[in-house]
Amino acid sequence: EVQLVESGGGLVQPGGSLRLSCAASGFAFSRFWMTWVRQVPGKGLEWVASIKQDASERYYVDSVKGRFTISKDNTRNSLYLQMNSLRAEDTAIYYCTRDPVRRYDWWGQGTLVTVSS
Amino acid sequence: EIVMTQSPAILSLPPGARATLSCRASLSVTDYVAWYQQKPGQAPRLLIYDASNRATGIPARFSGSGSGTDFTLTISSLEPEDFAVYYCQQRSTWPPTFGGGTKVEVK
Repeated sequence: EVQLVESGGGLVQPGGSLRLSCAASGFAFSRFWMTWVRQVPGKGLEWVASIKQDASERYYVDSVKGRFTISKDNTRNSLYLQMNSLRAEDTAIYYCTRDPVRRYDWWGQGTLVTVSS
Repeated sequence: EIVMTQSPAILSLPPGARATLSCRASLSVTDYVAWYQQKPGQAPRLLIYDASNRATGIPARFSGSGSGTDFTLTISSLEPEDFAVYYCQQRSTWPPTFGGGTKVEVK
């Protein structure tokens, strides 16, 4: 069974950094694009970043370009999101998703990131 | 970026009723639309991809249709577990974008 388990969320001050992790199991991780999607509690969904199977291509929503970095380690079956220069508007639940061509067929349970002083 | 607009924002229906949810794209997305269901406190779940293909394990009462700019998710007969929020999403053009959601609530 496919499982995606996020970790690394928490409370951080504006301007701070966090690194989210996603442990994947139950599928051939190296064969899939992976994507982070976020959701402000009570609001809608927003695509954040995607990474190709071999990490040769990465894409970001404009609002996080230059601040967030998506990466993956195919030897550890893990996806990461390094978030720097965090802002209040980055506060959200961050979901790790499996991405067979820009649709998201498996989701983790999410990890909450709160940016506040 | 392509804007996805969902209507209505809230749909109030009794169990057993037919639900019709709409999603309109600001530009043609051919048939590259997916639908997701989200229940309170849970992650979204993929229901439909490429406009009309049910994802693995999704009951036959869920169906999708449309192409170009107008798409529909139909739930033929609402079960108690179907009351939730539904999102459409396009994958035709970067960045992928989601609609604002339709909440299906019990009338």
